[in-house]
Amino acid sequence: DIQMTQSPSSLSASVGDRVTITCRASQGISNYLAWYQQKPGKDPKLLIYAASTLQSGVPSRFSGSGSGTDFTLTISSLQPEDVATYYCQKYNSAPRTFGQGTKVEIK
Amino acid sequence: EVQLVESGGVVVQPGGSLRLSCSASGFTFDDYTMHWVRQAPGKGLEWVSLISWDGDNTYYADSVKGRFTISRDNSKNSLYLQMNSLRTEDTALYYCAKDSVVSAWGSLDYWGQGTLVTVSS
Repeated sequence: DIQMTQSPSSLSASVGDRVTITCRASQGISNYLAWYQQKPGKDPKLLIYAASTLQSGVPSRFSGSGSGTDFTLTISSLQPEDVATYYCQKYNSAPRTFGQGTKVEIK
Repeated sequence: EVQLVESGGVVVQPGGSLRLSCSASGFTFDDYTMHWVRQAPGKGLEWVSLISWDGDNTYYADSVKGRFTISRDNSKNSLYLQMNSLRTEDTALYYCAKDSVVSAWGSLDYWGQGTLVTVSS
């Protein structure tokens, strides 16, 4: 099975900072990669699909890139409401493995 | 408006069984693959199982294979998860989630609020 590895596992940044989270697949998955945001106590929310396509209603400060095995989620200017844990997920085949998550906090 | 409402979560003893349900509304249920995803307390998301739009194809995480069975009733717009031989490590919030692509595979664009399963003696 393909493993999904995110880094870092947590980060602390200031409001307005550019934040980058990486996700690496153990085998190529083309662009079948989604990013989710889970705020404390809430259900997950789809942010990005097909590695770089923003889900409707998601702020444009979020962006995704990558293909094959290496992917990134970027928040161009971190806002207080972005405090959350972010997960990547592959969906080219089953099992639909998630990364272990990256917790983003405000410094 | 898409709504997914899970139910059935309770406290159950190790070795016991439980059936979770997910009631769907606001979309054409039999057009979409459906999923169960779980989250143990304080831990990350773990994909559990999926069932295709027509019910013909099912897949499971290795951690639940042979113990859990996913099913759906398209006439009732409902998704189910039969959980047998439960272990303490199955304790989690179980989410029902909808695939984003009609009659194919995609990301998970809608999630329920989850139902809590606690396996404890």
